Amino acid sequence: AQKITQTQPGMFVQEKEAVTLDCTYDTSDPSYGLFWYKQPSSGEMIFLIYQGSYDQQNATEGRYSLNFQKARKSANLVISASQLGDSAMYFCAMRGANTNAGKSTFGDGTTLTVKP
Amino acid sequence: DVKVTQSSRYLVKRTGEKVFLECVQDMDHENMFWYRQDPGLGLRLIYFSYDVKMKEKGDIPEGYSVSREKKERFSLILESASTNQTSMYLCASSTHRDMNTEAFFGQGTRLTVV
Repeated sequence: AQKITQTQPGMFVQEKEAVTLDCTYDTSDPSYGLFWYKQPSSGEMIFLIYQGSYDQQNATEGRYSLNFQKARKSANLVISASQLGDSAMYFCAMRGANTNAGKSTFGDGTTLTVKP
Repeated sequence: DVKVTQSSRYLVKRTGEKVFLECVQDMDHENMFWYRQDPGLGLRLIYFSYDVKMKEKGDIPEGYSVSREKKERFSLILESASTNQTSMYLCASSTHRDMNTEAFFGQGTRLTVV
C-alpha cells in the first residue's frame, strides 16, 4: 500500500519569497515516481514536477524544485520567488512500479496563499 | 494540445436520479481514472480502467459504476444520486504502467445533489 502525507493544510508566503511545501510518503515498491500538482481555484490539476526514486539529482522545473530525501521518505516542493498566481492548492502524489495500472496516490493537499 | 475533457463543469441533480459523468481523452492513453475530491480529504479514487471494457474498483466505489466501451471515453455513473455524493469529480488519464509520466486531468465537474 502507498501513503502520502501532507501535514500543512494551509501556508502563507510573502510575494517574492521562497516557500517549502512538505510531503512524506510510504511505499513497499522498490521503484516509484513522485509528482507535484497545482490546483488553482478553477479546479483543473496542473502537473508541476516529477522525481524518480532512482534519480541522483533533485528535479527542477523553472521556479519549482523538489527536495528529495529518499532515506527520510520526503519529497518537499520548493517554490522560489513566489508570485500571486502561485496561490492554489498543491498536491503531492506517487506512482509505484508495481502499482496496478499506474494508479497514483495523492495527499490531502496544501493550500498556499501568496500575500502581496 | 493534449486534453482530457469532462462533459460538464457544473451539474445539479435531484436525489434518486441516475447521473452520467462523461470523460474523453485524446492522448490514446490506456489508463483512465475517476477521483472524487472533498475538502480535507484530498483525491480519492472511485474507479479506474486500464483497457477497454476493463475496470477495477478504487477506494470508494460504493454507489458508483463505470463504463469504458471505447478507449478514449470513460463514464462515471451514479445509479441513484444521494446528497452525500455532492462533490467535485475529476477524471484523469495516463500511459500504461509507466511510472515516469504524469496523469492528465480534466477540468472537473462540480456535482450538487439536492
